[in-house]
Amino acid sequence: DIQMTQSPSSLSASVGDRVTITCRASQDISNYVAWFQQRPGEAPKALIYSASRLQRGVPSKFSGSGSGTDFTLTISSLQPEDFATYYCQQHFVYPRTFGQGTKVEIK
Amino acid sequence: EVQLVESGGGLVKPGGSLRLSCAASGFTFGSYIVNWVRQAPGKGLEWVSSISSTSAYIYYADSVKGRFTISRDNAKNSLFLQMNSLRAEDSALYFCVTGNTFDNWGLGTLVTVSS
Repeated sequence: DIQMTQSPSSLSASVGDRVTITCRASQDISNYVAWFQQRPGEAPKALIYSASRLQRGVPSKFSGSGSGTDFTLTISSLQPEDFATYYCQQHFVYPRTFGQGTKVEIK
Repeated sequence: EVQLVESGGGLVKPGGSLRLSCAASGFTFGSYIVNWVRQAPGKGLEWVSSISSTSAYIYYADSVKGRFTISRDNAKNSLFLQMNSLRAEDSALYFCVTGNTFDNWGLGTLVTVSS
């Protein structure tokens, strides 16, 4: 199975900050990575697929990059509604696997 | 608007069974892969199972293989998960999710396995 390792596990940031979350795959998965946001008490929401393609309706402050084994999610200017947990996932092969999550908290 | 509404969760004893359902609307259900993903309380996301549009291809996580069965009824825009031989570690919120890239998520149905 492909392991997806996110870093950091948590971070503290202020409104307006630029935030980057990293996800590393245990083997080459081309660009088959998705990113999800989960606010407390809510279902996850899809943000990005194929490493850099924004889901419909997702604001352009979210961006994704990477290929092979190393991927990043960047939030350009953190807003109060962005404080949440973010997960990466590979959609290259089955079993689908998620990263352990990165919790973005208010500083 | 895509809507996914899960149901069928509840409290069940270890070794028992439950059947989860997901009612889909707002899109052409029969054209899409659909998935189940679960989340134990306070934990991360775990993929459980996926089924292709015509049910020709079915995949399971090792943790549920042989105990859970995914199925769908395209005429009724519905997805199912038959869960047998339930264990405490199956306790989680179960989400119905559309597409190969997990585009749309339901709100989930809670399964608690406890004596």
